[in-house]
Amino acid sequence: DARVTQTPRDKVTEMGQEVTMRCQPILGHNTVFWYRQTMMQGLELLAYFRNRAPLDDSGMPKDRFSAEMPDATLATLKIQPSEPRDSAVYFCASGLQGAGRLFFGPGTRLTVL
Amino acid sequence: EDKVVQSPLSLVVHEGDTVTLNCSYEVTNFRSLLWYKQEKKAPTFLFMLTSSGIEKKSGRLSSILDKKELFSILNITATQTGDSAIYLCAVDAGGSRLTFGEGTQLTVNP
Repeated sequence: DARVTQTPRDKVTEMGQEVTMRCQPILGHNTVFWYRQTMMQGLELLAYFRNRAPLDDSGMPKDRFSAEMPDATLATLKIQPSEPRDSAVYFCASGLQGAGRLFFGPGTRLTVL
Repeated sequence: EDKVVQSPLSLVVHEGDTVTLNCSYEVTNFRSLLWYKQEKKAPTFLFMLTSSGIEKKSGRLSSILDKKELFSILNITATQTGDSAIYLCAVDAGGSRLTFGEGTQLTVNP
């Protein structure tokens, strides 16, 4: 049963620390998305990749967030330095271009103190 | 800017009731509309709709799309406590890039 995996599942850190979240998309999927979910904003798109190339990262605060896909099996989202307002659940999702449907990972719950 | 609006934002019903959740959208390049169910973890896929007037059905859940009026509804009949969740509507405006609505928090009481 293919699924998207994310690590860590939970992360508590202090303001100013670097946070790295990792995602393994479903094998064969060529689009990968990072979403952030908060009570106030709902699900917001941060960045996405197609065939490992970044297509849009306009949803990310550029000065502190970065997203990469070093290979087809790994996507990373990094926050440096982290701030309390970054506290949220970060979801990775993958899909096939043109198929519409996305498959979501279990999320990383980030708490920045 | 693409926009998806869901209503109501919150709904409390009793087991056995029928509920209708609404989703309206404004997008520049509509491809499809999707419904997801989110319990305490990741959103899970329910339906994808691309054509107007064709009902998609899965058990007690059904959904339909009106591309002229730019909305969709999700119906749940004979609700059960296990239907309690956030129901998310999303629109694909190209490249599987989904724009989500705020979600409807459904609570089904026994």
